[in-house]
Amino acid sequence: KAGVTQTPRYLIKTRGQQVTLSCSPISGHRSVSWYQQTPGQGLQFLFEYFSETQRNKGNFPGRFSGRQFSNSRSEMNVSTLELGDSALYLCASSELGSTDTQYFGPGTRLTVL
Amino acid sequence: AQSVTQPDIHITVSEGASLELRCNYSYGATPYLFWYVQSPGQGLQLLLKYFSGDTLVQGIKGFEAEFKRSQSSFNLRKPSVHWSDAAEYFCAVGSGGSYIPTFGRGTSLIVHP
Repeated sequence: KAGVTQTPRYLIKTRGQQVTLSCSPISGHRSVSWYQQTPGQGLQFLFEYFSETQRNKGNFPGRFSGRQFSNSRSEMNVSTLELGDSALYLCASSELGSTDTQYFGPGTRLTVL
Repeated sequence: AQSVTQPDIHITVSEGASLELRCNYSYGATPYLFWYVQSPGQGLQLLLKYFSGDTLVQGIKGFEAEFKRSQSSFNLRKPSVHWSDAAEYFCAVGSGGSYIPTFGRGTSLIVHP
């Protein structure tokens, strides 16, 4: 099976803009989780989608949102970008989500100027 | 709230030497525990996980970890390190039911020839 893919791999935006990142999970996986990785805060959980429903949400402002489509592909959106949003955004998929093994994509490197 | 501490930011070992990476967690109930590895420019790869049962867990790439409830620890070990093991290692704890993982800050492993 193909692994988790994320597009784009690199992105440069300016403050105030918005951005949409995409994640295609492993075929058959219904759970998609998103994480933010920064040198300052480390790895932080953003949210998890399972069968098109947001099941869990981390402690991030409402500028961060996501959705999942019927084919399990997921997108996350960040509006009104801030410099602090510069990070590696990782997507992970799993069959069941809860307590299941997650498979990570290579991430999208977002730079906000 | 659950938390994870990886006391060592960097560890340097010689190739062929044994390795132990420390992880301490704080969580009231029996946690779900994970070790991940991240190579430069890559996403995370699951090395091993503990949910219940045998407290000594075998993982991929020759790694193992031992869950010690009395010490709230889940240390990762490898008897003989290879140069390709140089990477960032993350310990994570998940809560039962809804899996919202909390990651440690990571330990960077440097392997000398």
